[in-house]
This record gives sequence, C-alpha cells and structure tokens, in this order.
Amino acid sequence: KQEVTQIPAALSVPEGENLVLNCSFTDSAIYNLQWFRQDPGKGLTSLLLIQSSQREQTSGRLNASLDKSSGRSTLYIAASQPGDSATYLCAVRGRNAGNMLTFGGGTRLMVKP
Amino acid sequence: NAGVTQTPKFQVLKTGQSMTLQCAQDMNHNSMYWYRQDPGMGLRLIYYSASEGTTDKGEVPNGYNVSRLNKREFSLRLESAAPSQTSVYFCASIDRVTGNTIYFGEGSWLTVV
Repeated sequence: KQEVTQIPAALSVPEGENLVLNCSFTDSAIYNLQWFRQDPGKGLTSLLLIQSSQREQTSGRLNASLDKSSGRSTLYIAASQPGDSATYLCAVRGRNAGNMLTFGGGTRLMVKP
Repeated sequence: NAGVTQTPKFQVLKTGQSMTLQCAQDMNHNSMYWYRQDPGMGLRLIYYSASEGTTDKGEVPNGYNVSRLNKREFSLRLESAAPSQTSVYFCASIDRVTGNTIYFGEGSWLTVV
C-alpha cells in the first residue's frame, strides 16, 4: 500500500525566504506526482505535475523535483510572499486501476510580512 | 468554466439521517472520485468511478454508497450518518486518457451531531 509523508507539517518563514517542502512515498511504481495548494475553506488547486519519466517541473517561482528511485519529491518556493501562505499537498498516482491518487498530510505554510 | 461543482456546500445532519452529496463535472472526464479530508490526515479516497457505469471502493468506503448517474454526475450517499463521518468531502475528476491534472470541487462541509 502506497504511503505518502510530508515533512514538516507546518512551517513559518519571513517574507523573501526561499524554502523547500518535502514529500516522500513508499512505492516507486508511480505514473506521476502532483503538488497542490489549498487555501482555508477551499478546494485544491494543482500547482505542478511531474510525470514519472521527468526529473522536475517549473512554474514561475515554483520548482518541483522528483527522484522516483528514492521515493522523494521537493517543492521549492523562491522569494516567498505572504500570498503563498496556504497548505501544500503532494499526491502520487500509482500504477493501479482508476488513476487513484494517494495524498500526503500536507504542509501548512505561513509567510510573515 | 464551471469545472467540478459540488452541492451542498454545508450540511448538518443528525445521527442516523441520510443524505446525498451531488457532484457534476463539465469537462467530459472519464474518471471521478470522492475524497474525505480530516485534520492532519490529508485526503482519503472513499469511492471512485473509472468510467461511466463502473464504481469501485477506495481506502475508506464503509458507511457510503455511490452512483455514477452518467458521465457528468457522481453522487455520494450516506445511508445512516454517524459522527465519525463529520468531515470535508471533495469530489474530483481526471481525464483518464491523458492522466493529467486532477480537478477538485470546492468541498462540502458535513457535520453529524
């Protein structure tokens, strides 16, 4: 059974810092890994999707990497802003029926002005 | 673009009552999902439907039933609500052919007293 872990569970940083969020998974047989953002009281918004054959994806100040063999992914946020405050979740899509995603517990990020 | 639409947004139920959460997507996606989100536990899959006419159990199906009414609609039913089913419920859909981004609804906050 796939298990996904995110460390740390919560993170508070001053504005302008570069930061890294971590995601680890136990079964490397995956199709892809996805990072999401969730604002309080809202649904999930997809940030980056990395296919299993890729090493990284970039979107603006966000960069996600994938090391499938070691079961790890990182989300790098450059020059953090207060508007980046949210919960960030990673999810892996395993090689099983139904395109099921397995989610980590999330990292709650607060960027202080 | 409506994307994934869930109703109701909020609901309070008494123990033993029944209710149905409705979900519809307008993106012509094959696969649809119901997740629940509890504090510190990420999202857990309740049921999914890989395509119209099929449904399968996810990680936490007990106490729930689903219906894939047509390609657009996927409903989740609680036959006899229990306090342990107090949670936030998210519906999602994905294009199974491309296996790319998953789209989530805004969530349904359910409290069982």
